Amino acid sequence: DIQLTQSPSFLSASVGDRVTITCRASQDISTYLAWYQQKPRKAPKLLIYAASTLQSGVTSRFSGSGSGTELTLTISSLQPEDFATYYCQQLKAYPLTFGGGTKVEIK
Amino acid sequence: EVQLVESGGGLVQPGESLRLSCAASGFTFSDHYMDWVRQAPGKGLEWVGRIRKKTNSYTTEYAASVKGRFTVSRDDSKNSLYLQMSSLRIEDTAVYHCVYVVMLTSIPYLVFWGQGTLVTVSS
Repeated sequence: DIQLTQSPSFLSASVGDRVTITCRASQDISTYLAWYQQKPRKAPKLLIYAASTLQSGVTSRFSGSGSGTELTLTISSLQPEDFATYYCQQLKAYPLTFGGGTKVEIK
Repeated sequence: EVQLVESGGGLVQPGESLRLSCAASGFTFSDHYMDWVRQAPGKGLEWVGRIRKKTNSYTTEYAASVKGRFTVSRDDSKNSLYLQMSSLRIEDTAVYHCVYVVMLTSIPYLVFWGQGTLVTVSS
């Protein structure tokens, strides 16, 4: 199975900060990666697919980059509504797997 | 507007069975793969399984942790997705989400998630 390791697992940041979350894969996943945002007691929401393509309706504050074994999610200027947990997911091979999550909290 | 409404969750004992349902609306259900993803309380996301559409012979994929115990099925005439769970274990306790899958750049991505139904396995 392809293992995804997210770092950091917890991040404390202020409104307006630039935030970067990394997802490292145990093998080459090219750009077969999605990023999700999950708020408490809510279903996850797709933010980015194919590593860098913004899902329709998602603010351009979010961006994704990378390929292979190291991919990143960047929030350019953190807003109050961005405080949530973020997950990466690989779609290169079955079983599909998720990273462990990164919780972004208010400093 | 896409809607996915899961039902059938509840409290069961280890070793018992349970069937979850997901009622879909707002899109052409029969044209899409569908997934189940679960989340144990306070934990991360775990993909459970997938069923493809009729033109892909309704083939399925499963996570190793549920293979042989869980079965994903669908009824396109009812716009419904199912998850038959048997030999349930305490570690199957989770919220189970039904997920609408869309081909983006020719890859099936998990685009829209239902709110989920809670399954608790406890003696």
